[in-house]
Amino acid sequence: ETTLTQSPAFMSATPGDKVNISCKASQDIDDDMNWYQQKPGEAAIFIIQEATTLVPGIPPRFSGSGYGTDFTLTINNIESEDAAYYFCLQHDNFPRTFGQGTKVEIK
Amino acid sequence: QVQLQESGPGLVKPSQTLSLTCTVSGGSISSGGYYWSWIRQHPGKGLEWIGYIYYSGSTYYNPSLKSRVTISVDTSKNQFSLKLSSVTAADTAVYYCARDGQEGLDYWGQGTLVTVSS
Repeated sequence: ETTLTQSPAFMSATPGDKVNISCKASQDIDDDMNWYQQKPGEAAIFIIQEATTLVPGIPPRFSGSGYGTDFTLTINNIESEDAAYYFCLQHDNFPRTFGQGTKVEIK
Repeated sequence: QVQLQESGPGLVKPSQTLSLTCTVSGGSISSGGYYWSWIRQHPGKGLEWIGYIYYSGSTYYNPSLKSRVTISVDTSKNQFSLKLSSVTAADTAVYYCARDGQEGLDYWGQGTLVTVSS
């Protein structure tokens, strides 16, 4: 089973900041890494697929990077509406596994 | 736009079976090309993938839950279901359903909280 170590667990940002969230895999998962945004009571939104590809309809201030075991979600010029819980998912092997999540607060 | 909605009892007694249904709209389960997954999130914890099913009935379960899980599909109703037997307080969680394609999970339901308590 692939363990995903996501950090930080919590971060507080000011509008306009650049935010980085890390997800490290315990084994090589190629680019089979996705990122999601979730707000309380709402369905999770798919924002980055295959580590680096922005899902259609997602604002370009979101981007993803990485390959193999180290991955990063970046939010440039963060906005108040980006306050949410973010998590990573690997779909390289079974069982599918998730990072522990990052709660992003906007000051 | 594909939408998924979980439904089922919010309270289950210990040792009983948890049963949830996911209704899919905006797309047909029987058209193929996608698997249909169940995921859960314990309070204050990370997400755990439970398993998935294909429209044909083929399934794959997380080994950690395999002995207690059954996922089934009803293509006539465009629904798939989760049964988790012999539940304990450790099964208290928000349960989500999602569509699972080549790029992983793309569409999710809002989730439903299931509490295991007498």
